[in-house]
Amino acid sequence: GAVVSQHPSWVICKSGTSVKIECRSLDFQATTMFWYRQFPKQSLMLMATSNEGSKATYEQGVEKDKFLINHASLTLSTLTVTSAHPEDSSFYICSATSGGAKTQYFGPGTRLLVL
Amino acid sequence: EDKVVQSPLSLVVHEGDTVTLNCSYEVTNFRSLLWYKQEKKAPTFLFMLTSSGIEKKSGRLSSILDKKELFSILNITATQTGDSAIYLCAQLQTGANNLFFGTGTRLTVIP
Repeated sequence: GAVVSQHPSWVICKSGTSVKIECRSLDFQATTMFWYRQFPKQSLMLMATSNEGSKATYEQGVEKDKFLINHASLTLSTLTVTSAHPEDSSFYICSATSGGAKTQYFGPGTRLLVL
Repeated sequence: EDKVVQSPLSLVVHEGDTVTLNCSYEVTNFRSLLWYKQEKKAPTFLFMLTSSGIEKKSGRLSSILDKKELFSILNITATQTGDSAIYLCAQLQTGANNLFFGTGTRLTVIP
């Protein structure tokens, strides 16, 4: 089956620093990748949708200048949390789908803790 | 306004019990309804339902979609402690391939 990896699996950083999270599709080409955020005891909230080679589409309420998304290749998308604050602490999950696929394949997630 | 609503929010049962989890969704741009199981990490795919009235089954889990009443149920029979997880349903919309998740049902199965 399709495999999606994320790196790092967890990160602790100081407030004000930037953190980059990578999402890779290991055995298929992901034309579209999605980034979700999940706060404790809440469901997954879609942050943005990125298509390879084009700008990401952000959901309402998600700051595009704070959460920078790059999808430069068919196997890699990155999410950079700029000037992170404690309220950005969350579980970030990416998913990927290839052209024609009906389901999304999720990465294992990245736990971010901002001190 | 929630697009996908799940009930109950949490459920505690004993091993061997049968549970039914509910998910209602919006009709707007509906393509499919998906069920996921989430333990400690990212969700794992269970079912995708597109057609009404056709039950999908995998072991002790089964699911069905009612497109007239805009809901789906996930059944788990003979529950085991390993079934303890958050069960998420999500609506897949046409066009953008976006998944909109419900709030999830936290199932706890006690020995």
